[in-house]
Amino acid sequence: DTAVSQTPKYLVTQMGNDKSIKCEQNLGHDTMYWYKQDSKKFLKIMFSYNNKELIINETVPNRFSPKSPDKAHLNLHINSLELGDSAVYFCASSQGDREAFFGQGTRLTVV
Amino acid sequence: DAKTTQPTSMDCAEGRAANLPCNHSTISGNEYVYWYRQIHSQGPQYIIHGLKNNETNEMASLIITEDRKSSTLILPHATLRDTAVYYCIVRAITGANNLFFGTGTRLTVIP
Repeated sequence: DTAVSQTPKYLVTQMGNDKSIKCEQNLGHDTMYWYKQDSKKFLKIMFSYNNKELIINETVPNRFSPKSPDKAHLNLHINSLELGDSAVYFCASSQGDREAFFGQGTRLTVV
Repeated sequence: DAKTTQPTSMDCAEGRAANLPCNHSTISGNEYVYWYRQIHSQGPQYIIHGLKNNETNEMASLIITEDRKSSTLILPHATLRDTAVYYCIVRAITGANNLFFGTGTRLTVIP
């Protein structure tokens, strides 16, 4: 069983659309994250979330919002997509501040 | 911001030990050294971490200098599947598990 799974793996969409990427972890972890890897391969934290708090990287536009229906899921919603949002998005989870486990990524292409 | 410096790329012959250096001269007493790797088109994978003592697990060994200003990740018998980008990351012992990835070292294992 995949520990951290993301869907879809690939997403191609037009500018201005609203889209969501789903993430599920079956590790029983209490903290989940979203990272963005741009075309230059830089990996940057976007959000971290546990039951207590959401920590947002201040550089993330408010068009991006994480939503957690339960402890095992942290979905990423993106409104009014822009060309610059094209990237690979990785979900991750950890138990507290222990090592993080990453999903396989979602490649988002905005056209 | 990444607090580490790593060589951009390295080559290693298959079957030989791969030694990946990392400088973290501004590391503070409450910060760990973590290593992750990213194989092409996959999510980052945790390898090992340490505070001040040398560490070993089934994947690698981590050697941290006595002054903690640098460390070396050792893959004892590199295989072609170890070809990846290796990230050395400094993060606080407690608190948010937000990882700041730098540019990493691209390790190529050569047959």
